[in-house]
Amino acid sequence: QSVLTQPPSVSGAPGQRVTISCTGSSSNIGAAYDVHWYQHLPGTAPKLLIYGSSNRPSGVPDRFSGSKSGTSASLAITGLQAEDEADYYCQSYDSSLSGYVFGTGTKVAVL
Amino acid sequence: QVQLVQSGAEVKKTGASVKVSCKASGYTFTSYGISWVRQAPGQGLEWMGWINGYNGNTNYAQKLQGRVTMTTDTSTSTAYMELRSLRSDDTAVYYCARASFRTGYDYWGQGTLVTVSS
Repeated sequence: QSVLTQPPSVSGAPGQRVTISCTGSSSNIGAAYDVHWYQHLPGTAPKLLIYGSSNRPSGVPDRFSGSKSGTSASLAITGLQAEDEADYYCQSYDSSLSGYVFGTGTKVAVL
Repeated sequence: QVQLVQSGAEVKKTGASVKVSCKASGYTFTSYGISWVRQAPGQGLEWMGWINGYNGNTNYAQKLQGRVTMTTDTSTSTAYMELRSLRSDDTAVYYCARASFRTGYDYWGQGTLVTVSS
């Protein structure tokens, strides 16, 4: 079980806004370590969506945004599209484990 | 353009070892680290470890300590991940990724399926 907890699934209709939470602790997100977010489609390599909690790499639509507060982080997807159906993972460094960890993962479904 | 190309699928017996390669191109290999991530069937992403592309320093996931070794060959810009004493629960797709502490894992290999069976 990961030290970063995400909801197993979220869903929304096309055009709606969904958010994915990533709950950590004082040894990871709460210790001000960067949080990154990845999108993972089955059979493909994961894709970096957000780095440094709120920055988008070039080419990532501005429909995706990230934030962090205290021991948690969030990924928001606005204007949900069918192509956004995928698994999403947060990632951070954990000082207790002396290594990086991924969140438990969230499956996004577009209704 | 940045590319990470991994070696092909492997089938191994329980107790054996596997070594997966990851050949980088399109950037200065020694300016970034390489991380290894795996995904077992039906499971989430699991961080395995990281190697510094410049000096070879490593940091392994605690649960894999003693069974995993990550190395690089800077002359060919290739990273390697060796996993020993394979068990059935090591069956997974293994990915390499270009790693930066600040900007995350921005480029990934295509993945290598390792199947472990008795």
